[in-house]
Amino acid sequence: DTEVTQTPKHLVMGMTNKKSLKCEQHMGHRAMYWYKQKAKKPPELMFVYSYEKLSINESVPSRFSPECPNSSLLNLHLHALQPEDSALYLCASSQERSEQYFGPGTRLTVT
Amino acid sequence: QKEVEQNSGPLSVPEGAIASLNCTYSDRGSQSFFWYRQYSGKSPELIMSIYSNGDKEDGRFTAQLNKASQYVSLLIRDSQPSDSATYLCAVRPNDYKLSFGAGTTVTVRA
Repeated sequence: DTEVTQTPKHLVMGMTNKKSLKCEQHMGHRAMYWYKQKAKKPPELMFVYSYEKLSINESVPSRFSPECPNSSLLNLHLHALQPEDSALYLCASSQERSEQYFGPGTRLTVT
Repeated sequence: QKEVEQNSGPLSVPEGAIASLNCTYSDRGSQSFFWYRQYSGKSPELIMSIYSNGDKEDGRFTAQLNKASQYVSLLIRDSQPSDSATYLCAVRPNDYKLSFGAGTTVTVRA
């Protein structure tokens, strides 16, 4: 089973809203990732959690705040986003440094 | 120089033909190489991983790796309309970070 789930599938939020994206995997993977993907571009890495600790932050603006409550869950808290933050947000997981498996993504629109 | 470069598309092939996708990478220390398929509006799906020089076959897909030339390719044999998608080459230069190419869009003509 290589399933990563993400909720919600779609999200529309205003620039003053606070919302959260959720990601879950039950494959026993110890690394989890957040990516952002704009149309016709490859995914861009935002954050990496390894063993529930933040190990990579790719200079992401503070309006994006990740959280890893346990080894199966990963959240991305959103606050005061800009319209240019509209994108597909992808969660992925991997066993250590091996293959990364992506979830279906959350399509975010900031109005 | 970009870390990962893919042959520019789009690539159009007739049904039943072989689609050939190429990728070069700049970090000679890279150890892991992946191909992802992404349908329009969907997330990337891992279709092949390769770690050693040579060929790796999985069904109609063959990945080829040449570390000396810093080159990895993907062949899709007997191409089907369902293979129409964007194919992303990904290279892991270190630890957890994946570097993606820009992607090659493949269209299989029925």
